[in-house]
This record gives sequence, C-alpha cells and structure tokens, in this order.
Amino acid sequence: AQSVTQPDIHITVSEGASLELRCNYSYGATPYLFWYVQSPGQGLQLLLKYFSGDTLVQGIKGFEAEFKRSQSSFNLRKPSVHWSDAAEYFCAVRTYKYIFGTGTRLKVLA
Amino acid sequence: DVKVTQSSRYLVKRTGEKVFLECVQDMDHENMFWYRQDPGLGLRLIYFSYDVKMKEKGDIPEGYSVSREKKERFSLILESASTNQTSMYLCASSFSGAGELFFGSGTQLSVL
Repeated sequence: AQSVTQPDIHITVSEGASLELRCNYSYGATPYLFWYVQSPGQGLQLLLKYFSGDTLVQGIKGFEAEFKRSQSSFNLRKPSVHWSDAAEYFCAVRTYKYIFGTGTRLKVLA
Repeated sequence: DVKVTQSSRYLVKRTGEKVFLECVQDMDHENMFWYRQDPGLGLRLIYFSYDVKMKEKGDIPEGYSVSREKKERFSLILESASTNQTSMYLCASSFSGAGELFFGSGTQLSVL
C-alpha cells in the first residue's frame, strides 16, 4: 500500500541552525512529491513540489528538497532557520490520490 | 491568487445536529477535497469530487456525506454530529492531473 512516513514528530533547532526534515514514501512508480507548511490555526501552504527532472527542487522561504529514488526519500532542508519557520510540516505524495504524512512540528529556539 | 474559502473558522454544535461545512474556490478547479486533521494522525481524506455532481469516498467517509451542485462549491455534511467528529476540517482544490492542492484556512468543529 502507498504510504508516507515522517519519522520525526517534533524537531527543535536554534535560530540560524540548519534544518533537515525527513520524508520516506512507499510507491511503486515515480511519485509526485510535495512539502506543505501549516502555521498554527491555518490551512496548508505549498512549499515545493517534485514532478520530474532535477532531483533537487527549490521552494519558497528558502527551502529545498532532494528526491532520492534509491532511498524512497524526499527530505526537506533549509540552511539557516528563522524563528518564523516554526510550524508543522507535511510531506505528501500524489498517486491516484494525495497521501499525507503525519507531520513534523518544528520549534525554533531564539 | 487561488482562494479557497471555508465558511466558518470555528463552529460549535451539539450531538445529533446536522452540520454543514461549506467550501468555495475561485480558480475553476475540477477537483475538490475534504480532509479532517487530528493531532498525530495527519490529514485523512473524507470525500473528494472530480466534477460537478460527482463524489468519491475517501479513507474515512463514515458519518459524512457531500454535495457538489456547482463547480466552485463543495459541501461536507455531518448527518448526525457525534463527539468523535470534533476535529479540524480542511477543504482543498486542484486542477486535474498531478497539480498541487490549495487549502482553505480550515474549520475547527467542536461537537458537544
């Protein structure tokens, strides 16, 4: 069955530190992959997406993600975290429907 | 900008009431979706629609129904609200194909 796993429920980083959020998926073919961010009490906003081509994709707010087929992963990265990045992050895969991970809540220490 | 508007930000209802959650999108998207979001469970698909008057069950349709009479509007109906339907409800829309979802701000429903 298709699935998306985000192994880290909570992550805490200091402002200015680098960030990597992990995402693994299970799907037989090449999937369409997404990262969304959700600020408290809000809906989800698209950060970036991967459909095909270059495996390193750039998104909004300085985020990037790398698709690694051999590892079935699509990890989200940011070189220097800002306090405003504190939010919940969701990885998603589109097969015949969208499947979301359970999310990673990011806390940023000043 | 794409706008997906959910009619209520917060809603408090009583057990047994019939509840309507409304969602309107302004980008002529073919696809519309209803999710519920609970802590630790992520987003779970309730129902979706690929066209007017068309609906498909998602992963957790029990206790819910939907209506899509016009392309821009997708309504979620709780026929007889129960306390276990207390949740955040998110509406989303997209073009056909593999495009990304655009989300509304959500409705936090409390059933007492």
